[in-house]
Amino acid sequence: GENVEQHPSTLSVQEGDSAVIKCTYSDSASNYFPWYKQELGKRPQLIIDIRSNVGEKKDQRIAVTLNKTAKHFSLHITETQPEDSAVYFCAASLEYGNKLVFGAGTILRVKS
Amino acid sequence: DTEVTQTPKHLVMGMTNKKSLKCEQHMGHRAMYWYKQKAKKPPELMFVYSYEKLSINESVPSRFSPECPNSSLLNLHLHALQPEDSALYLCASSQRDRVRLGSGANVLTFGAGSRLTVL
Repeated sequence: GENVEQHPSTLSVQEGDSAVIKCTYSDSASNYFPWYKQELGKRPQLIIDIRSNVGEKKDQRIAVTLNKTAKHFSLHITETQPEDSAVYFCAASLEYGNKLVFGAGTILRVKS
Repeated sequence: DTEVTQTPKHLVMGMTNKKSLKCEQHMGHRAMYWYKQKAKKPPELMFVYSYEKLSINESVPSRFSPECPNSSLLNLHLHALQPEDSALYLCASSQRDRVRLGSGANVLTFGAGSRLTVL
């Protein structure tokens, strides 16, 4: 089955700096890669996703890149703000069946 | 309505109790999911329902029994649980579970979760 590894496990940045979180997946058939943000005591919320037919997607300060050959994808947050502090999970799945496998998560702390 | 609603928010039960977790959505989604999340860990898939039929069971112990009475409701019946079953139980829904690439119909919307403590 699919296995997703996520790094780093914790990341501290200064407000205004960029943050990058990286994930690798094992199943070359996976074709859907969402990123979720989970604040303490809250539900996971989708912040951006990418499908295997594109290499990059951007939404304001957030971008995701996908390298299918290397089987890795990354989340980039620019101009970080204290409210970006949360746990971020990457995930991978086949769209058929929608069986998402999550990475272990990255605790992002943005210091003001 | 763009939300997935879960009740109760908190539940404490003994190992001999029978209780149920409930999940409701009115977005017309035809796929619903149960995930289990332990502290500081990612969500783990338990069950997937597609068009009210169980399509995925991730080898979950029988003390967890899912039920999908209709397209808007999803229950998780709990019986004879163990302390290690204490966790946050998340319900989610999506338009469909089997979709064409790029259609977006598989995007998950999570509920706020039910925090279960087994004594």
